[in-house]
Amino acid sequence: DQQVKQNSPSLSVQEGRISILNCDYTNSMFDYFLWYKKYPAEGPTFLISISSIKDKNEDGRFTVFLNKSAKHLSLHIVPSQPGDSAVYFCAATAGGTSYGKLTFGQGTILTVHP
Amino acid sequence: DGGITQSPKYLFRKEGQNVTLSCEQNLNHDAMYWYRQDPGQGLRLIYYSQIVNDFQKGDIAEGYSVSREKKESFPLTVTSAQKNPTAFYLCASSPTGQRNTEAFFGQGTRLTVV
Repeated sequence: DQQVKQNSPSLSVQEGRISILNCDYTNSMFDYFLWYKKYPAEGPTFLISISSIKDKNEDGRFTVFLNKSAKHLSLHIVPSQPGDSAVYFCAATAGGTSYGKLTFGQGTILTVHP
Repeated sequence: DGGITQSPKYLFRKEGQNVTLSCEQNLNHDAMYWYRQDPGQGLRLIYYSQIVNDFQKGDIAEGYSVSREKKESFPLTVTSAQKNPTAFYLCASSPTGQRNTEAFFGQGTRLTVV
């Protein structure tokens, strides 16, 4: 049972345009959501997160939106840059005693063309 | 610099052999995790430990074993019982008792069965 889903395996955008990556979840106990960026043969690096008490969190070019009623979150990158090309993973946790126990989506490969 | 070190980066194993992947962290985190990544899939949790001398199975623990004798170290043994061991293995750590904090990942070990 896939509790976190990223239905778009890949996304291609032009440099300077907006990239929108989507993520859906089914477990209503999830209360903290994260986006990680990953290059091939490297570990994921944390990008941005959002708590379930918020509906938006912004950090520079990156903004994450959370729609709890739809169990949907999205990552917006504006403007997109070629260096943003990577695999992006959405992750969620139900908190409790350990916030590192994450459930990941399948990932979306983002390609930003110059 | 504080971080998580996984070794080796590449590992080859013959069928029927056990192999141990190393993970060390100097972030003073209580919790540590092992994830596995397969092509086209998200990261799946193998084992996690929230405190020394204690660990729990994740979603895909069969064929794996771990130990947590020291706070800094969380080695993963891939046993001969693991039917499809070829994958990219990622170790992570996070502080416990803190809400809304991300997990930090190592650079990964690619295990190939030959």
